[in-house]
Amino acid sequence: EIVLTQSPATLSLSPGERATLSCRASQSVSFYLAWYQQKLGQPPRLLIYDASKRAAAIPARFSASGSGTDFTLTVSSLEPEDFAVYYCQQRYHWPLTFGGGTRVEIK
Amino acid sequence: EVRLVESGGGLVQPGGSLRLSCSASGFTFVNFNMNWVRQAPGKGLEWVAFITSGITTRQYADSVKGRFTISRDNVKKTLYLQMNNLRVDDTAVYYCTTEAFDDWGQGTLVTVSS
Repeated sequence: EIVLTQSPATLSLSPGERATLSCRASQSVSFYLAWYQQKLGQPPRLLIYDASKRAAAIPARFSASGSGTDFTLTVSSLEPEDFAVYYCQQRYHWPLTFGGGTRVEIK
Repeated sequence: EVRLVESGGGLVQPGGSLRLSCSASGFTFVNFNMNWVRQAPGKGLEWVAFITSGITTRQYADSVKGRFTISRDNVKKTLYLQMNNLRVDDTAVYYCTTEAFDDWGQGTLVTVSS
């Protein structure tokens, strides 16, 4: 099973600041990595797929990069609605796995 | 508009069974592979199972293999998850999602407790 390790566990930032989230895979997942945002009481929302492609209707302030084992999600300037939990997911090998999540909280 | 509505959750004793349903609308269900994903209270996401559109392939997380069965009825546009021999650690909100995980239902809560 591919293990995804997300860091940091919690990110404390102010609106307008840049957020950089990391996801590291225990073995290569090529570019088959996705990112999700989840707010309390809601299902996850797909942000990024194939490591760097924004899903439909996702604002341009969300960007992502990486391949192989190291991936990054960047929010260029945090809006109030961006404070949430973010998960990465690999779709390269069964079983599909998620990272443990990064909580982005208001400082 | 894609709509996925899960149902069938509830309270069940350890060792019991439950069948979840996910009713799909707003897209051509028969053409799409589907997944179940769960989330224990206050915890992260765990992928549970996958089924192809033509029901030729099923995949399961190791934690549920041999106990859960994913199935679908393409005429009724409904996805199912039959859960047997339930354990306390199966307690979670269960979501159905499309193959690309770009559409999710609101989830149904399964509580396994004596």
